[in-house]
Amino acid sequence: RKEVEQDPGPFNVPEGATVAFNCTYSNSASQSFFWYRQDCRKEPKLLMSVYSSGNEDGRFTAQLNRASQYISLLIRDSKLSDSATYLCVPDSGGYQKVTFGTGTKLQVIP
Amino acid sequence: NAGVTQTPKFRVLKTGQSMTLLCAQDMNHEYMYWYRQDPGMGLRLIHYSVGEGTTAKGEVPDGYNVSRLKKQNFLLGLESAAPSQTSVYFCASRQLAAANTGELFFGEGSRLTVL
Repeated sequence: RKEVEQDPGPFNVPEGATVAFNCTYSNSASQSFFWYRQDCRKEPKLLMSVYSSGNEDGRFTAQLNRASQYISLLIRDSKLSDSATYLCVPDSGGYQKVTFGTGTKLQVIP
Repeated sequence: NAGVTQTPKFRVLKTGQSMTLLCAQDMNHEYMYWYRQDPGMGLRLIHYSVGEGTTAKGEVPDGYNVSRLKKQNFLLGLESAAPSQTSVYFCASRQLAAANTGELFFGEGSRLTVL
């Protein structure tokens, strides 16, 4: 079983919409997570970290549900510039390997 | 700040040729990683290193070799390139297990085409 599972999408949403993606994880010991954003043909960049129950940064809200072992990313008032692939990664902390899932592709439509 | 630098950024090879990709980081990070990303797919871990002089296999290590002779550099080698190795290669680094974050810092990628 992969460490993280994400719906690859694409999620096609109109500008101004609210969209949410989930990421399920298999290691119940994972304490925190990162959401990375990857633009087409570019390197991934950190979007936000998720510790304890969640985190909010402007239009972006990430929440962690330990009981069901998933984290979510909510984007409010979507912009065209939000179009990208969003990758969920457990904080490797003391673990050496860092592997990625497929990510979820978001396309914001005018 | 340079961060993570990959060279070369683009390369075209013929089948059977060899080449080395260089990843250099100036953040004194212990861990370094090489990933490949094929069109429409996620990042797959090739090899990684947890410190100078150490390397380990990732998810897709076949056809690649690596070396970490200096802490700041992580080299990825293709001894006999094959068309299946056409891909975008990303290098990343991070701190040794930290209390607060294990954020990965990526290079801009190296686009390799094998004809």
